[in-house]
Amino acid sequence: GENVEQHPSTLSVQEGDSAVIKCTYSDSASNYFPWYKQELGKRPQLIIDIRSNVGEKKDQRIAVTLNKTAKHFSLHITETQPEDSAVYFCAASIMAGNQFYFGTGTSLTVIP
Amino acid sequence: GAVVSQHPSWVICKSGTSVKIECRSLDFQATTMFWYRQFPKQSLMLMATSNEGSKATYEQGVEKDKFLINHASLTLSTLTVTSAHPEDSSFYICSARMAGGLRGREQFFGPGTRLTVL
Repeated sequence: GENVEQHPSTLSVQEGDSAVIKCTYSDSASNYFPWYKQELGKRPQLIIDIRSNVGEKKDQRIAVTLNKTAKHFSLHITETQPEDSAVYFCAASIMAGNQFYFGTGTSLTVIP
Repeated sequence: GAVVSQHPSWVICKSGTSVKIECRSLDFQATTMFWYRQFPKQSLMLMATSNEGSKATYEQGVEKDKFLINHASLTLSTLTVTSAHPEDSSFYICSARMAGGLRGREQFFGPGTRLTVL
Protein backbone atom coordinates (compact mmCIF):
# COMPACT_ATOMS: atom_id res chain seq x y z
CA GLY A 1 0.00 0.00 0.00
CA GLU A 2 0.88 3.65 -0.02
CA ASN A 3 3.51 4.95 2.41
CA VAL A 4 3.66 8.66 3.08
CA GLU A 5 6.57 10.19 4.93
CA GLN A 6 6.56 13.73 6.28
CA HIS A 7 9.33 16.02 7.53
CA PRO A 8 10.03 17.70 9.79
CA SER A 9 8.01 16.39 12.72
CA THR A 10 8.31 19.72 14.52
CA LEU A 11 8.98 23.18 13.17
CA SER A 12 9.34 26.51 14.92
CA VAL A 13 9.49 29.77 13.00
CA GLN A 14 9.38 33.44 13.87
CA GLU A 15 6.23 35.30 12.98
CA GLY A 16 6.52 36.62 9.45
CA ASP A 17 8.97 33.96 8.32
CA SER A 18 8.14 31.14 5.91
CA ALA A 19 7.52 27.51 6.80
CA VAL A 20 8.06 24.53 4.52
CA ILE A 21 6.84 21.01 5.14
CA LYS A 22 7.84 18.16 2.84
CA CYS A 23 6.23 14.82 2.08
CA THR A 24 7.17 11.85 -0.04
CA TYR A 25 4.95 9.05 -1.23
CA SER A 26 5.64 5.59 -2.55
CA ASP A 27 2.78 4.68 -4.87
CA SER A 28 3.19 6.22 -8.30
CA ALA A 29 -0.55 5.71 -8.86
CA SER A 30 -1.37 8.34 -6.23
CA ASN A 31 -2.73 11.40 -7.95
CA TYR A 32 -4.41 13.54 -5.32
CA PHE A 33 -2.57 15.23 -2.46
CA PRO A 34 -4.47 17.18 0.19
CA TRP A 35 -3.04 19.03 3.16
CA TYR A 36 -4.92 19.20 6.44
CA LYS A 37 -4.50 21.46 9.44
CA GLN A 38 -5.45 20.14 12.86
CA GLU A 39 -5.59 22.40 15.88
CA LEU A 40 -5.36 20.85 19.31
CA GLY A 41 -8.47 18.82 20.12
CA LYS A 42 -10.15 19.73 16.86
CA ARG A 43 -10.92 17.96 13.64
CA PRO A 44 -8.59 18.12 10.62
CA GLN A 45 -9.51 20.83 8.14
CA LEU A 46 -8.53 20.86 4.48
CA ILE A 47 -6.34 23.86 3.69
CA ILE A 48 -5.18 23.13 0.16
CA ASP A 49 -4.95 20.24 -2.26
CA ILE A 50 -3.26 19.46 -5.55
CA ARG A 51 -3.86 16.97 -8.32
CA SER A 52 -1.14 15.22 -10.23
CA ASN A 53 -1.79 17.14 -13.43
CA VAL A 54 -0.69 20.34 -11.71
CA GLY A 55 2.79 21.23 -10.50
CA GLU A 56 1.94 24.07 -8.17
CA LYS A 57 -1.10 25.64 -6.56
CA LYS A 58 -1.37 28.76 -4.47
CA ASP A 59 -4.02 30.16 -2.19
CA GLN A 60 -3.05 33.45 -0.56
CA ARG A 61 -0.22 32.66 1.89
CA ILE A 62 -0.33 28.92 1.26
CA ALA A 63 1.16 27.08 -1.69
CA VAL A 64 1.75 23.47 -2.55
CA THR A 65 4.24 22.07 -5.07
CA LEU A 66 4.30 18.59 -6.54
CA ASN A 67 7.12 16.70 -8.21
CA LYS A 68 5.62 13.53 -9.65
CA THR A 69 8.91 12.18 -10.90
CA ALA A 70 10.51 12.36 -7.48
CA LYS A 71 7.24 11.51 -5.75
CA HIS A 72 7.35 14.39 -3.34
CA PHE A 73 5.21 17.39 -2.55
CA SER A 74 5.63 20.32 -0.24
CA LEU A 75 3.54 22.85 1.67
CA HIS A 76 4.77 26.42 1.81
CA ILE A 77 3.34 28.96 4.23
CA THR A 78 4.57 32.52 3.83
CA GLU A 79 4.29 35.43 6.27
CA THR A 80 3.43 33.05 9.08
CA GLN A 81 1.13 34.19 11.87
CA PRO A 82 0.61 32.78 15.38
CA GLU A 83 -2.74 31.37 14.30
CA ASP A 84 -0.91 29.17 11.81
CA SER A 85 0.37 27.17 14.79
CA ALA A 86 -1.12 23.67 14.50
CA VAL A 87 -0.32 20.19 13.30
CA TYR A 88 -0.24 19.81 9.55
CA PHE A 89 -0.79 16.51 7.77
CA CYS A 90 -0.12 15.68 4.17
CA ALA A 91 -1.95 12.82 2.49
CA ALA A 92 -1.85 10.88 -0.74
CA SER A 93 -4.73 9.24 -2.51
CA ILE A 94 -5.56 7.39 -5.67
CA MET A 95 -8.64 9.20 -6.87
CA ALA A 96 -10.41 6.07 -7.94
CA GLY A 97 -9.71 4.37 -4.64
CA ASN A 98 -10.83 7.08 -2.25
CA GLN A 99 -8.58 6.20 0.66
CA PHE A 100 -6.29 8.84 2.11
CA TYR A 101 -2.96 7.80 3.54
CA PHE A 102 -1.64 10.42 5.90
CA GLY A 103 1.87 11.49 6.68
CA THR A 104 3.09 11.51 10.26
CA GLY A 105 2.32 15.16 10.83
CA THR A 106 4.29 18.32 11.48
CA SER A 107 3.73 20.38 14.59
CA LEU A 108 4.24 24.00 13.54
CA THR A 109 4.80 26.69 16.14
CA VAL A 110 4.87 30.32 15.07
CA ILE A 111 6.64 32.44 17.66
CA PRO A 112 5.22 35.97 18.01
CA GLY B 1 -22.34 22.96 4.53
CA ALA B 2 -20.49 19.61 4.65
CA VAL B 3 -20.77 18.99 8.37
CA VAL B 4 -19.92 15.66 9.93
CA SER B 5 -20.86 14.82 13.49
CA GLN B 6 -19.76 12.05 15.81
CA HIS B 7 -21.41 10.67 18.89
CA PRO B 8 -20.35 10.32 21.59
CA SER B 9 -17.52 12.81 21.81
CA TRP B 10 -16.01 11.03 24.80
CA VAL B 11 -16.69 7.63 26.28
CA ILE B 12 -15.19 5.77 29.20
CA CYS B 13 -15.91 2.08 29.51
CA LYS B 14 -14.81 -0.97 31.40
CA SER B 15 -12.56 -3.55 29.85
CA GLY B 16 -14.54 -6.25 28.06
CA THR B 17 -17.49 -4.09 27.10
CA SER B 18 -18.43 -2.95 23.60
CA VAL B 19 -18.71 0.65 22.50
CA LYS B 20 -20.55 2.02 19.48
CA ILE B 21 -19.50 5.25 17.82
CA GLU B 22 -21.74 6.99 15.30
CA CYS B 23 -20.64 9.12 12.38
CA ARG B 24 -23.22 11.22 10.56
CA SER B 25 -23.06 13.51 7.57
CA LEU B 26 -25.57 16.20 8.50
CA ASP B 27 -26.15 18.10 5.28
CA PHE B 28 -24.91 15.88 2.48
CA GLN B 29 -24.97 12.32 1.32
CA ALA B 30 -21.76 10.42 1.83
CA THR B 31 -21.11 7.57 -0.53
CA THR B 32 -18.04 6.63 1.43
CA MET B 33 -17.04 7.08 5.02
CA PHE B 34 -13.66 6.39 6.55
CA TRP B 35 -12.62 5.51 10.07
CA TYR B 36 -9.28 6.63 11.48
CA ARG B 37 -7.50 6.09 14.73
CA GLN B 38 -5.22 8.76 16.16
CA PHE B 39 -2.90 8.34 19.10
CA PRO B 40 -1.72 11.45 20.99
CA LYS B 41 0.59 13.58 18.88
CA GLN B 42 0.52 11.03 16.09
CA SER B 43 -0.94 10.81 12.65
CA LEU B 44 -4.33 9.58 11.51
CA MET B 45 -4.15 5.89 10.79
CA LEU B 46 -6.75 4.67 8.33
CA MET B 47 -8.62 1.71 9.79
CA ALA B 48 -11.29 0.99 7.23
CA THR B 49 -13.27 2.31 4.30
CA SER B 50 -17.02 2.03 4.50
CA ASN B 51 -19.33 2.18 1.49
CA GLU B 52 -23.05 2.43 1.98
CA GLY B 53 -24.76 -0.92 1.66
CA SER B 54 -21.63 -3.02 1.39
CA LYS B 55 -19.04 -4.54 3.66
CA ALA B 56 -16.26 -2.34 4.92
CA THR B 57 -12.75 -2.71 3.59
CA TYR B 58 -10.22 -2.97 6.38
CA GLU B 59 -6.60 -1.91 6.26
CA GLN B 60 -3.92 -4.46 6.90
CA GLY B 61 -3.49 -5.19 10.59
CA VAL B 62 -6.95 -3.99 11.61
CA GLU B 63 -9.11 -6.74 13.10
CA LYS B 64 -12.49 -6.67 11.41
CA ASP B 65 -14.09 -8.78 14.12
CA LYS B 66 -12.96 -6.33 16.76
CA PHE B 67 -13.85 -3.14 14.92
CA LEU B 68 -17.27 -3.72 13.42
CA ILE B 69 -18.36 -1.18 10.87
CA ASN B 70 -21.86 -0.72 9.57
CA HIS B 71 -22.82 1.81 6.91
CA ALA B 72 -26.56 1.45 6.76
CA SER B 73 -27.41 4.70 5.00
CA LEU B 74 -25.82 7.51 3.02
CA THR B 75 -25.64 9.61 6.16
CA LEU B 76 -24.68 7.18 8.90
CA SER B 77 -21.80 4.85 9.62
CA THR B 78 -21.12 3.17 12.95
CA LEU B 79 -17.96 1.74 14.44
CA THR B 80 -18.34 -0.77 17.25
CA VAL B 81 -15.29 -1.60 19.31
CA THR B 82 -16.06 -5.07 20.64
CA SER B 83 -14.66 -6.40 23.90
CA ALA B 84 -12.65 -3.26 24.38
CA HIS B 85 -9.33 -3.36 26.21
CA PRO B 86 -7.08 -0.57 27.50
CA GLU B 87 -4.93 -0.74 24.38
CA ASP B 88 -7.99 0.25 22.34
CA SER B 89 -8.02 3.60 24.11
CA SER B 90 -7.54 6.19 21.42
CA PHE B 91 -9.09 9.03 19.47
CA TYR B 92 -11.34 7.71 16.72
CA ILE B 93 -12.16 10.07 13.86
CA CYS B 94 -14.48 9.45 10.97
CA SER B 95 -14.60 11.28 7.69
CA ALA B 96 -17.15 11.38 4.92
CA ARG B 97 -16.68 11.81 1.22
CA MET B 98 -19.35 13.76 -0.57
CA ALA B 99 -21.09 12.06 -3.48
CA GLY B 100 -19.98 13.74 -6.71
CA GLY B 101 -19.80 17.44 -7.35
CA LEU B 102 -16.86 19.78 -7.23
CA ARG B 103 -16.02 18.72 -3.72
CA GLY B 104 -16.26 15.03 -4.50
CA ARG B 105 -12.67 14.35 -3.58
CA GLU B 106 -12.59 16.14 -0.28
CA GLN B 107 -13.05 14.28 2.98
CA PHE B 108 -14.89 16.07 5.74
CA PHE B 109 -13.88 15.03 9.21
CA GLY B 110 -15.96 14.52 12.28
CA PRO B 111 -14.86 16.03 15.61
CA GLY B 112 -13.61 12.68 16.87
CA THR B 113 -14.50 10.38 19.75
CA ARG B 114 -12.12 9.88 22.61
CA LEU B 115 -12.36 6.33 23.93
CA THR B 116 -10.89 5.46 27.30
CA VAL B 117 -11.00 1.83 28.37
CA LEU B 118 -10.36 1.21 32.04
